[in-house]
Amino acid sequence: EVQLVQSGAEVKKPGESLKISCKGSGYSFTHYWIAWVRQTPAKGLEWMGIIYPGDSDTRYSPSFQGQVTISADKSISTAYLQWGSLKASDTAMYYCARAPGGDYGPDQWGQGTLVTVSS
Amino acid sequence: QAVVTQEPSLTVSPGGTVTLTCDSTTGAVTSGHFPYWFQQKPGQAPRTLIYDTSNKHSWTPGRFSGSLLGGKAALTLSGAQPEDEAEYYCLLSYSGARVFGGGTKLTVL
Repeated sequence: EVQLVQSGAEVKKPGESLKISCKGSGYSFTHYWIAWVRQTPAKGLEWMGIIYPGDSDTRYSPSFQGQVTISADKSISTAYLQWGSLKASDTAMYYCARAPGGDYGPDQWGQGTLVTVSS
Repeated sequence: QAVVTQEPSLTVSPGGTVTLTCDSTTGAVTSGHFPYWFQQKPGQAPRTLIYDTSNKHSWTPGRFSGSLLGGKAALTLSGAQPEDEAEYYCLLSYSGARVFGGGTKLTVL
């Protein structure tokens, strides 16, 4: 069974750093891409970027380029999304999702990680 | 950047048929936009129903189908069930850039 298990909810202050994770199992982690998607009540679903854990080829949506870093550690089948300095506007639910190709949409989704940034 | 639009809300009677659409500000939606459709229920992650316009996953109920209709991507639900009440999102690809629609809240009533 394909599973994407994300790390737990986080509460952070503005300016703090954060790295959330997404662990894949039940499939060959290095043969599929992992996408990150943000969801907020105001803007709905937003495509942030996608990474191929096999060679770390990473593609960012222009809106998120420079704002976050997507990475992966194939040795532990885990992808990451990180911020160097959080803002209140980063408060959102973040989903990872598996995609069969870099230009494909997702087929399987993680359960989501809620990130709250508040002073 | 392109904007992808969906009906904000639709209502369907149990057993009825409804079509949700997905439009693009850049012009007609084609198979080259590789339309995807997702279902999301409150408190849950999205679930992929349709990929590449009309292809279903093994878990996609047979009553859902995807197509292109009048220059838009379309998701048709035939024989609506109470459990189909959810938010539905489409996703279009623009030369690799991916843009979600704003979602349609479907009520089965």
